[in-house]
Amino acid sequence: AQSVAQPEDQVNVAEGNPLTVKCTYSVSGNPYLFWYVQYPNRGLQFLLKYITGDNLVKGSYGFEAEFNKSQTSFHLKKPSALVSDSALYFCAATTVSGYSTLTFGKGTMLLVSP
Amino acid sequence: GAVVSQHPSRVICKSGTSVKIECRSLDFQATTMFWYRQFPKKSLMLMATSNEGSKATYEQGVEKDKFLINHASLTLSTLTVTSAHPEDSSFYICSARGNTPSTDTQYFGPGTRLTVL
Repeated sequence: AQSVAQPEDQVNVAEGNPLTVKCTYSVSGNPYLFWYVQYPNRGLQFLLKYITGDNLVKGSYGFEAEFNKSQTSFHLKKPSALVSDSALYFCAATTVSGYSTLTFGKGTMLLVSP
Repeated sequence: GAVVSQHPSRVICKSGTSVKIECRSLDFQATTMFWYRQFPKKSLMLMATSNEGSKATYEQGVEKDKFLINHASLTLSTLTVTSAHPEDSSFYICSARGNTPSTDTQYFGPGTRLTVL
């Protein structure tokens, strides 16, 4: 069975500092990995995905994520956090790019202080 | 591109009534749509997956007679909560996925907040 772990319920960072939101996964076969962001009372916005190719994936709003196969991780990063980045972040995984369902992590709340 | 809308954004109803939520892909053809439920401060729980023109596939524990899903066209899916009760109050989110390289990712709607009194 697929699983996605986001070990931190909350990450606090000061504006201007780099941020990392952690994600590890467990799937059978080659993983397809995603990051989404959710603002209060809103749906999820797609940030980026890893399907194949370069391990460093660049996405929306200056975010990037690094796929590490040996550590089965897909951590989300940003060099300089903004207060407006404060939101709930979800990591998700699947194994094929057909119509398989996504398995979501429990989410990590990112709080960026001014 | 890849915009998904939901209507209504918020609905309050009395116990025992039925509520229909619409999910539309505005600028692409959604061959597959997904319906999720999200409880406060919790992750998304997949309720069902539907392919256009086919019956929905429900996840274990989701009552298909209570949560009716219709995916009649490539741009519209509906979720009807029948005989709603207070325990059905939740945030319902749909997502849509196409079959082209630019849409082969789940794109989510803004969600519908259902409150059953």
